[in-house]
This record gives sequence, structure tokens and C-alpha cells, in this order.
Amino acid sequence: SYELTQPPSVSVSPGQTARITCSGDALPKKYAYWYQQKSGQAPVLVIYEDSKRPSGIPERFSGSSSGTMATLTISGAQVEDEADYYCYSTDSSGNLLFGGGTKLTVL
Amino acid sequence: QVQLVESGGGLVKPGGSLRLSCAASGFTFSDYYMSWIRQAPGKGLEWVSYISSSSSYTNYADSVKGRFTISRDNAKNSLYLQMNSLRAEDTAVYYCARVIAVAGNAEYFQHWGQGTLVTVS
Repeated sequence: SYELTQPPSVSVSPGQTARITCSGDALPKKYAYWYQQKSGQAPVLVIYEDSKRPSGIPERFSGSSSGTMATLTISGAQVEDEADYYCYSTDSSGNLLFGGGTKLTVL
Repeated sequence: QVQLVESGGGLVKPGGSLRLSCAASGFTFSDYYMSWIRQAPGKGLEWVSYISSSSSYTNYADSVKGRFTISRDNAKNSLYLQMNSLRAEDTAVYYCARVIAVAGNAEYFQHWGQGTLVTVS
């Protein structure tokens, strides 16, 4: 079955650039999306259609996709960016899939 | 602004049933597909089901197919999830979400509610 694979954890110091990857065989043909989930809160969309940022999301969040890998980049990560991040996409069969999530630590 | 408020969660025994509701406001509910997504305690996100804007099309994850039924009432701006034959592995926070659809298929989840906890034990 189709899977989206993320690293379990990423750690950076404040002000550094954090990169979270997501790999999946359908990504060359399907958009990647990224959700941020802070502790005890609902997920929030931070990147859609590979690289677009919803209104209200800080400019330090950006996305890219190449081949079978999508990447969420947080340039100058802040302590408040500490959260779980989930990539999401669809496959050719219409399945809606989340990656396993990446815990971002900023300290 | 968009508001989605889930209700109906609680403790239920294995094999039992529960009906979740999601009250929507701040947008034209009948224009959007809607979905349920769940998250087991300490685990990741899992899509459960979605429904088209006119209820003409529904889709379910294999894990709930045949046990869960999604529905909506556009006159009441409400989304529902009828859950039957519940199992311990259905224990999760259930979120409703507004969906952006492309070419008749759900594409992604744009806004989420705060969730309601279902415990099967």
C-alpha cells in the first residue's frame, strides 16, 4: 500500500533552518501538503499544493517538491514552531494519506 | 471566520454505537465537501471519511468501511458520523474538517475543528 515517509524527529536551535522531508512514490504526480499540530491542538494547514502558504502563515514557512520527495523548510525556526508536522497527499486510487509525522524540537 | 465544533464523543463499550456531530459556521456549508479525520492517543493522523457537498458521493477508509456512515444536513449546517460496531482501535480524537475538492475528488483539508474524544473500552 502507498505510504508517505517522514523522519520521526528533527531538532534545531532557534534561528536555524529546519527541514522536514516526506517521501512517497506518487509525489511526482500529486501535490504535497503540510500540517502543523502543536501539543493539545488541532492541526493547521501551513503549506498547500507543494509550496503555497495560506494567509496568516509566517513567511519563514516554505515548501518544495522534487521527484518523490517533498520538503517543508522553516527558515529561522522559532521556539513557537515546536510542534508535530505531518505531510499529506493523495494517490491515484483516491486514497487520502498522512505521513507518520515529524516532531520538531527547537531549543 | 470558519468555525467547526464537534460533539458527541464519549465512552462506549466494544460493539456499541456512537453518533458524532459537527456544527459549521462562518462559511456556506453547502458549497464544501466535508471530512472526518481521527487521531489515536499519541499517534498520527488518519483520514476516516468524506462526503460531497450535495451528499451524492461518500468515501471511507478501509478501516471503517461498512461500520461508519458519514452524512450531512445542509439546512442545519451540520456534518455527522454514525459509528457502529466500535472496536478498541477506534479510540481516538475525531476531527471534522472542511475539504477542498478538485475534479470531484477530495484534495485536502483546509480547516479543522478542535475534535471530540471517542473512547471504546
